[in-house]
Amino acid sequence: KNQVEQSPQSLIILEGKNCTLQCNYTVSPFSNLRWYKQDTGRGPVSLTIMTFSENTKSNGRYTATLDADTKQSSLHITASQLSDSASYICVVSDRGSTLGRLYFGRGTQLTVWP
Amino acid sequence: EADIYQTPRYLVIGTGKKITLECSQTMGHDKMYWYQQDPGMELHLIHYSYGVNSTEKGDLSSESTVSRIRTEHFPLTLESARPSHTSQYLCASSDPPRDHIGLTANTGELFFGEGSRLTVL
Repeated sequence: KNQVEQSPQSLIILEGKNCTLQCNYTVSPFSNLRWYKQDTGRGPVSLTIMTFSENTKSNGRYTATLDADTKQSSLHITASQLSDSASYICVVSDRGSTLGRLYFGRGTQLTVWP
Repeated sequence: EADIYQTPRYLVIGTGKKITLECSQTMGHDKMYWYQQDPGMELHLIHYSYGVNSTEKGDLSSESTVSRIRTEHFPLTLESARPSHTSQYLCASSDPPRDHIGLTANTGELFFGEGSRLTVL
């Protein structure tokens, strides 16, 4: 069964600190992995998208890594800011269907305290 | 910034009412989607469309219906709302798939609207 598991479920850090969020998946055949940021009451916004040949991609203070062999990804946030408080969702796409089915994780709820 | 819009953002209605959630995008995307999201849970695909006059049901069974008469417009309708329909509904569209080393990602970049929070009393 294709699944996407994220950990931790929630995380609280102090402003200025770094943190790393984890994503493990069993989706096969793998096409790409995406990280989204979703502010409370808003729609998700794309942070990064990586194919199997990419093992790291950055977007400002966000750096995503991908290990396609172990089927793991992480999202590292550097020098956190209050505005980083949000849910971070890992999404994996397969390439076995015309639609390019997307499998969503439940997200990690990050809270940044001043 | 994504050019995809949903209305209303919030809606509180009584049981049995008919409602339509609007979704429009100005990016010319062919593929559009409706997702349902409950607190702390993953997004579930309820409807999608490959283009004009194309509509398909997603993974999660839903009593809602959709239409795609114009490329930019993908409304979702509930004929008779019930409390079990209370949820956040997210509309999305995706740009064309891109090739990478000869392989095609079937779904390009996904752009979401701000969501419609529906409460049925």
